[in-house]
Order: sequence, then structure tokens, then C-alpha cells
Amino acid sequence: EVQLVDSGGGLVQPGGSLRLSCAASGFTFSDYSMHWVRQAPGRGLEGVANIEPDGNEKFYVDSVKGRFTISRDNAKNSLYLQMNSLRAEDTAVYYCARGRITDYWGQGTLVTVSS
Amino acid sequence: DIVMTQTPLSSPVTLGQPASISCRSSQSLVHSNGNTYLSWLQQRPGQPPRLLIHKISNRFSGVPDRFSGSGAGTDFTLKISRVEAEDVGVYYCMQATQFPQTFGQGTKVEIK
Repeated sequence: EVQLVDSGGGLVQPGGSLRLSCAASGFTFSDYSMHWVRQAPGRGLEGVANIEPDGNEKFYVDSVKGRFTISRDNAKNSLYLQMNSLRAEDTAVYYCARGRITDYWGQGTLVTVSS
Repeated sequence: DIVMTQTPLSSPVTLGQPASISCRSSQSLVHSNGNTYLSWLQQRPGQPPRLLIHKISNRFSGVPDRFSGSGAGTDFTLKISRVEAEDVGVYYCMQATQFPQTFGQGTKVEIK
């Protein structure tokens, strides 16, 4: 059974940092591109970052470029999102998702940026 | 970035009646590999999104056949042939031809 478990969210002050993790199981992790998608409270979905199966190509939405870094460890079946210089507008539930078609999603982890 | 525009943003439907959602992209979604990466996702209240349809018209595993997708190029449609109570939620179109993915604003389907 494919499972994605998001973790690492919490309350952080503006300017702070947080590292999100997504633990994958039930499939060959290294075969798939992986993605982070976020949803601000009461809002729609926004693609944040993508990483190809071998980790060599990464893509970011403009609003997080230079602040967020997506990475993966294929040996540990894990996806990460390092978030620095956090802003209030980064407050959202962050989901990891599998593959270009995002056929499986984690349950999400809430990041709240507030003083 | 590719902009995805959905209509309508709200769709009150009578149980057992059809529903239709349109999605238009700001540029062609045909990838260089020939595929068109247009998906439809459903999000029920308090739940993560769930994939319904991928590559325009392919129903994902376990998705009821009352859901269907169609379209080409820049214009796409999701149809629910007979709405059931469990279909209440917000529906998003998503393009994955270009990364990062972009989504429509969402269409809220509710029962009249």
C-alpha cells in the first residue's frame, strides 16, 4: 500500500526556519518525481517545489525561490523541504505528493508563521 | 507560469443530476513527450486532495465511472453524470506539463 506521511510542521516566528519531511513506503521511491503542494487556510492549492527521481532537477514557485530547498534521500525513502526566512504568507498546510500526476498525497502538516 | 481558470466557482446540484466543471489553461498543456498533463482532483472537507482523473480522461484506480474528463489543448471539462452525496467538496484542475504544477481556483460542489 502506498503511504506518504508528512511531518515537521509547527509554529515558527517570521524569519525563522523549519524542515518538513515526507516518509514514503509501499513503492519504489527512486522511480518517482516528488512534490510539495501547500494550501493556505481557506484557500486553494499551490505547487511549491518539485524534484526529479534522481534529485538532479528541482523547480520552485517564484514566491519561495532562494528561501526554500527541496531535497530527497532515496536510500531513506524520504522527501524534505527546508524552509528559511519564513513569512506570514507561508502559513499553510503542506502536502507531499507522488509523481507528475500526484496520484498519492500525504495527510499534510500545518506550518504557522506568526509572532 | 501557466494560469488555470475554472468555471463555475460554485455549483449547487440536485442529487442524481449531472454536474460539469470547465477549466481553461493560459497555454497549451501538450508536453514535448506528447502527453497532456491535465488532472482533476477532489478535496472533501478536512481531507487531502484525491486524484480523480489524469491526462485529461484517465480515471484513477477506484474512482467511480460517473466521473469523466474530456478536452484538448487548453480547454478541459470534468463531468459527474449523477451527483451523489459523497461528491460534495471542492474540485481542482491541475496542470503538470510545466513545473511547478499550477491549479485552478477550485469549484465548490454542494447539494441544493
